[in-house]
Amino acid sequence: DAGVIQSPRHEVTEMGQEVTLRCKPISGHNSLFWYRQTMMRGLELLIYFNNNVPIDDSGMPEDRFSAKMPNASFSTLKIQPSEPRDSAVYFCASKRGSADTQYFGPGTRLTVL
Amino acid sequence: KQEVTQIPAALSVPEGENLVLNCSFTDSAIYNLQWFRQDPGKGLTSLLLIQSSQREQTSGRLNASLDKSSGRSTLYIAASQPGDSATYLCAVRTGNAGNMLTFGGGTRLMVKP
Repeated sequence: DAGVIQSPRHEVTEMGQEVTLRCKPISGHNSLFWYRQTMMRGLELLIYFNNNVPIDDSGMPEDRFSAKMPNASFSTLKIQPSEPRDSAVYFCASKRGSADTQYFGPGTRLTVL
Repeated sequence: KQEVTQIPAALSVPEGENLVLNCSFTDSAIYNLQWFRQDPGKGLTSLLLIQSSQREQTSGRLNASLDKSSGRSTLYIAASQPGDSATYLCAVRTGNAGNMLTFGGGTRLMVKP
């Protein structure tokens, strides 16, 4: 079974550039979550989708961040324009229905110079 | 707003020792509590999940307890091994937060051979 797939694994960009992070959830999972992990703030939920519909985006820090889920097998998190304080590891996780356990991807380490 | 705290932030023990990791949360109205393991450069792996009606869960050398009224959980690791070295995070799903998890800052464990 393929787990949650994230790409790229590492991204280095310059301030002001657009960054797009990608996630493929586990097949059959209908909930998808985007998290951000930093040393200062730990692991924070940014947004989650249920059946491709955004349910709660209260964790999205600013309008520079946007997330989409055009179908059940793909989601993107976009930052435009990026800033150095966006540097973090971004995780995607998915789960099935009412199940409690979320399955995490390996993360994308973003560095904004 | 739910807050989750983990103590200690880091722990170093010799191989073979039994150890306890602590997790506390401020809002006792939780659905469940999970313990995760995170290896460097990797995503999170769920170790144990305790429903709010349960007192403990066991898996191999791991035992997690939950005292909902006092807002505390412990993860007990018996006969620690170098392979247990990782960061351990606890996360709670709170009653008014739908599918959202609130994570603690983690305990970084090193088991020395």
